[in-house]
Amino acid sequence: GAGVSQTPSNKVTEKGKYVELRCDPISGHTALYWYRQSLGQGPEFLIYFQGTGAADDSGLPNDRFFAVRPEGSVSTLKIQRTERGDSAVYLCASSFVGQGVDNEQFFGPGTRLTVL
Amino acid sequence: AQTVTQSQPEMSVQEAETVTLSCTYDTSENNYYLFWYKQPPSRQMILVIRQEAYKQQNATENRFSVNFQKAAKSFSLKISDSQLGDTAMYFCAFMTGHGSSNTGKLIFGQGTTLQVKP
Repeated sequence: GAGVSQTPSNKVTEKGKYVELRCDPISGHTALYWYRQSLGQGPEFLIYFQGTGAADDSGLPNDRFFAVRPEGSVSTLKIQRTERGDSAVYLCASSFVGQGVDNEQFFGPGTRLTVL
Repeated sequence: AQTVTQSQPEMSVQEAETVTLSCTYDTSENNYYLFWYKQPPSRQMILVIRQEAYKQQNATENRFSVNFQKAAKSFSLKISDSQLGDTAMYFCAFMTGHGSSNTGKLIFGQGTTLQVKP
């Protein structure tokens, strides 16, 4: 079956602009995660959805970042007034259920965001 | 707060040889999970192996095995019979909780770039 997909694969924008990054999880996966990976670093947790609700958004760096998952499937990460420091690869992952050790997170290929 | 440390930014190994990647972590939790992920240049993060902290037996997946030392908070990955396709960045990761208390949030180390040479 299809894996996690993310669009666009690359996004170049100017400082101050608004961007949306999309994640399509594996069909039937109830949990969805967003991570941010800066160059040469490990991914950092941003937000976790269980169904439609954000169960843990403790990783969002500030109020310019917002994510939604209105129907419990596709999720959109929204970044307002982008800054050069937002440049990174944004990774999405999904799992069947957010609780329990056997719920492996399957990752998408990421969106590389470059803010000029 | 939990932290994960990988002290080897880069490693190299000859094809068919064995290599060990190091990882240490810090937590006050008793129940947690540890993972090794592989990230090739394509950026796709792939799970290599996982270990439940309550299990004393080290996990093994074909050529990949771990040395889990709970008291020392150490979780190293051994790759046997290295293959060219093993060339990638490897991340150690930590997840808290057990059963219904599992948050699902992964905490990653800084990564180790492994190059397998022919």
